[in-house]
Amino acid sequence: DAGVIQSPRHEVTEMGQEVTLRCKPISGHDYLFWYRQTMMRGLELLIYFNNNVPIDDSGMPEDRFSAKMPNASFSTLKIQPSEPRDSAVYFCASSQTQLLAGFTDTQYFGPGTRLTVL
Amino acid sequence: RKEVEQDPGPFNVPEGATVAFNCTYSNSASQSFFWYRQDCRKEPKLLMSVYSSGNEDGRFTAQLNRASQYISLLIRDSKLSDSATYLCVVITGFQKLVFGTGTRLLVSP
Repeated sequence: DAGVIQSPRHEVTEMGQEVTLRCKPISGHDYLFWYRQTMMRGLELLIYFNNNVPIDDSGMPEDRFSAKMPNASFSTLKIQPSEPRDSAVYFCASSQTQLLAGFTDTQYFGPGTRLTVL
Repeated sequence: RKEVEQDPGPFNVPEGATVAFNCTYSNSASQSFFWYRQDCRKEPKLLMSVYSSGNEDGRFTAQLNRASQYISLLIRDSKLSDSATYLCVVITGFQKLVFGTGTRLLVSP
């Protein structure tokens, strides 16, 4: 299995530019998550999807951020316009639901996209 | 108060030492608990789940104390390869994981 695939691995852009991050989840996984990680705030959940439908986007910092999942094998996280404070590592993760006495299946993370906004 | 709190460390220990990390959580309705490991500039990976009765995986032991709302991770006979950041993870709602900011461990020769 190829695991969760993210692209690009590194992105350097200038303030005000649009940034699009891409993710391909593990085949057969019906949950997809977008996280952001910074030194100050750690790993934060931005949004997650179930069967391509956004379930909880309460972690999306503001309207400049948007995420889509047009099909089961692809998702995008877009920042428009980007700002220097958006600089972080953005992780995508996927999981397959397994509910057993409250236990939830582990999430598998992609390698992340390191975003730098100048 | 943060939902999940960890001592950021770093914990500096020699090879062979035993080291323990604690993590506290604020939501008493939290259902599931995990420890993830994250190497420098890599993605987090599941280390182990934490069960109510406690569980062990080789040199690693995880414990849950619901009354005091904390989980712990004990590493025995530390190896150089154990150097990493250990993230405490709590599930507060369906499929919603909340991560601590991590505890950094440095194992030296």
